[in-house]
Amino acid sequence: GQNIDQPTEMTATEGAIVQINCTYQTSGFNGLFWYQQHAGEAPTFLSYNVLDGLEEKGRFSSFLSRSKGYSYLLLKELQMKDSASYLCAVNTGGFKTIFGAGTRLFVKA
Amino acid sequence: DSGVTQTPKHLITATGQRVTLRCSPRSGDLSVYWYQQSLDQGLQFLIQYYNGEERAKGNILERFSAQQFPDLHSELNLSSLELGDSALYFCASSAGTGSYEQYFGPGTRLTVT
Repeated sequence: GQNIDQPTEMTATEGAIVQINCTYQTSGFNGLFWYQQHAGEAPTFLSYNVLDGLEEKGRFSSFLSRSKGYSYLLLKELQMKDSASYLCAVNTGGFKTIFGAGTRLFVKA
Repeated sequence: DSGVTQTPKHLITATGQRVTLRCSPRSGDLSVYWYQQSLDQGLQFLIQYYNGEERAKGNILERFSAQQFPDLHSELNLSSLELGDSALYFCASSAGTGSYEQYFGPGTRLTVT
């Protein structure tokens, strides 16, 4: 079967660093996406990892370990506007991308 | 603005009815995806089209159908609607398939009463 697991909710403080984990077990793997989704809005693309390692993009970084079926999204210098759901999604090959249920992040002052 | 448009933005209808949701992809994108997102739920993949052809199917009910037209816009048809079909329906598009990032439209909020 296909399985993508993320924590349901996380809370962090403005200015801090937070790491959102994602583990996956899928029948195939071509790459892993992270999307951000504010309540009631459309998801927006953050990153796409194909190879192992850390990719940094401004305040956001994403890490992938294919052998462990594991990824994380690191958010630095948290801002109130970072309060949103963060969706991990796996491109399983062919034409399918499967989304996890998402992690709702609350940033408090 | 992602460049993906969806109409209508909101739709309220009664159980047993049929509705059509419309999506226009970003200029140049050949793939269109449909997703359903119920309250506090993750994105459920429904179906994908690439250049007019169905390429992948997810958890799409038999009461639901979709198609992609020669001009690449797509329609999702939902029939015999039930209360549980109330959800946000997103359309996304991408340049190709699989490893391309998807650009999401603003969604259609369907309420079945």
